[in-house]
Amino acid sequence: GAVVSQHPSRVICKSGTSVKIECRSLDFQATTMFWYRQFPKKSLMLMATSNEGSKATYEQGVEKDKFLINHASLTLSTLTVTSAHPEDSSFYICSASYRGGTGELFFGEGSRLTVL
Amino acid sequence: GNSVTQMEGPVTLSEEAFLTINCTYTATGYPSLFWYVQYPGEGLQLLLKATKADDKGSNKGFEATYRKETTSFHLEKGSVQVSDSAVYFCALSEGKAAGNKLTFGGGTRVLVKP
Repeated sequence: GAVVSQHPSRVICKSGTSVKIECRSLDFQATTMFWYRQFPKKSLMLMATSNEGSKATYEQGVEKDKFLINHASLTLSTLTVTSAHPEDSSFYICSASYRGGTGELFFGEGSRLTVL
Repeated sequence: GNSVTQMEGPVTLSEEAFLTINCTYTATGYPSLFWYVQYPGEGLQLLLKATKADDKGSNKGFEATYRKETTSFHLEKGSVQVSDSAVYFCALSEGKAAGNKLTFGGGTRVLVKP
């Protein structure tokens, strides 16, 4: 089946540094990738939608300068949390759909970011 | 806007008990409805879906029927197992026209005890 992998699965960083999270579609070409943020015991909040080769579309309230999303190829999207602060600590999840598919989304395992 | 409301957990059951997780939605159009499951330490997996009214999605003994008149998509399983312990998310999508964006409910944690 379609597999989406995220890396790293866990990352701890100091306040003020930047962290990059990768989302890869391992066995299909992902025309669209979505980035979600999941707070503890809460639901998933859509942050942005990225289409290969174009700028990401951010949801209302999400700072595009803080959460940089790049979808440079059909198998890779990256989320960079710039100048991270403790309030950015969260579980970040990506999902992808593939060209010519039914529209079903496939989710990565998630990446837990802890900012000290 | 679209929204999904599902019952809060945690729901604690004994093995072989009947499970129901309620889910209701608000949408402007005719959405597709989904149940996703998140097992401990894993990503979300699609459990089942229904794309139009009166459709029934089923998988792994779970079922849910798309009820347009009550705007509901309740998840049921007749006899749960310990391995069903997970967090279950109800979600809707307006489909390809909306870029397949999913709107999730808050999630319901289910714990099945032996």
